[in-house]
Amino acid sequence: DGGITQSPKYLFRKEGQNVTLSCEQNLNHDAMYWYRQDPGQGLRLIYYSQIVNDFQKGDIAEGYSVSREKKESFPLTVTSAQKNPTAFYLCASSTDRGNYGYTFGSGTRLTVV
Amino acid sequence: QKEVEQNSGPLSVPEGAIASLNCTYSDRGSQSFFWYRQYSGKSPELIMSIYSNGDKEDGRFTAQLNKASQYVSLLIRDSQPSDSATYLCAVYSSASKIIFGSGTRLSIRP
Repeated sequence: DGGITQSPKYLFRKEGQNVTLSCEQNLNHDAMYWYRQDPGQGLRLIYYSQIVNDFQKGDIAEGYSVSREKKESFPLTVTSAQKNPTAFYLCASSTDRGNYGYTFGSGTRLTVV
Repeated sequence: QKEVEQNSGPLSVPEGAIASLNCTYSDRGSQSFFWYRQYSGKSPELIMSIYSNGDKEDGRFTAQLNKASQYVSLLIRDSQPSDSATYLCAVYSSASKIIFGSGTRLSIRP
């Protein structure tokens, strides 16, 4: 089955630690996106990539980094510079830059301990 | 003014009734319009897409688009408890990216 796989489902981070969230898709989509969702809030765009080896900052990129070395993969690193990282992180992908909508992964819930 | 606006709710509808969810958008150049359903703790799921003015029906769901008024709506007929979720309106803008509304929380009461 084609889809987007995010792992892990739950992640715990200690203060001052960097953590990496995985996102893999087998839909042959060119574009991939990372969103953050806080409880009771909407989706906020962190980073997006429309082609391999290229990515752009979204609305809340500070404290995050990404890479896009393969079409199928778009990992997100939450660095120690992100002071409030506890949130639900969603990866999405699309063809044609989103004119037909995004497909979302199942999400990673990150908690600072 | 937010680019995509929705009433946050909660919207409470009795089981079997019609639920009506509304959304307005600011970019007149927007081309495509979507409704996503998100259950608590889960990721958004695309349930309806609409690209031209008028109505589009899919089972119990009807999406309505009025580009002149910059207005999109979602009707859910014969509402079921399983329809209780947050519904996100999303718009593919002239900047070639999707803008999401903050969502409307819908509660279907038995």
